[in-house]
Amino acid sequence: GAGVSQSPSNKVTEKGKDVELRCDPISGHTALYWYRQSLGQGLEFLIYFQGNSAPDKSGLPSDRFSAERTGGSVSTLTIQRTQQEDSAVYLCASSFQQGDAQYFGPGTRLTVL
Amino acid sequence: EDQVTQSPEALRLQEGESSSLNCSYTVSGLRGLFWYRQDPGKGPEFLFTLYSAGEEKEKERLKATLTKKESFLHITAPKPEDSATYLCAVQDHNQGGKLIFGQGTELSVKP
Repeated sequence: GAGVSQSPSNKVTEKGKDVELRCDPISGHTALYWYRQSLGQGLEFLIYFQGNSAPDKSGLPSDRFSAERTGGSVSTLTIQRTQQEDSAVYLCASSFQQGDAQYFGPGTRLTVL
Repeated sequence: EDQVTQSPEALRLQEGESSSLNCSYTVSGLRGLFWYRQDPGKGPEFLFTLYSAGEEKEKERLKATLTKKESFLHITAPKPEDSATYLCAVQDHNQGGKLIFGQGTELSVKP
């Protein structure tokens, strides 16, 4: 079956611009997660959705970062007024329920010039 | 604070040379320990979940084991296609669904 998909695969933007990253989870998965992977930083948790609500936003690095999930499916991660330190690969994962194995998408590589 | 440490950072093996990767963890309440494989430019690929000390899981040339403080990923007679970065992560009962990852072990298997 179809795995987790993310778009765009690559995004180059100028400092100060806003960007939106999209994630389509595996059909039927109730939990959705966003992570960020930077060189030398490993994988960092950003936010977790159960259905359309976000019980854990503790990993969002600043108020420039926000995310939403609609219809218990698609999620969008928005970064406002991008900074160079936002450059990273943004990964989305989904699981059937909290605690189950998380399946990752291919990621969106964000480059802020 | 929950923490995951993987060693070594990098490992070079000859084809057929068996070895083990280590994942040490500190967590207040372990819900599960997860192993992933990541190829360059791709997202992590799920391999195993271990839930309690003494548990073992196997898949082809890979075998994962778990104790109360660490997990090992044993690679038997590796092949060049096993070359990848192997990531270990823990999930804490008290931290919702998020995974806390180690820095990974970059494995290279030469023919």
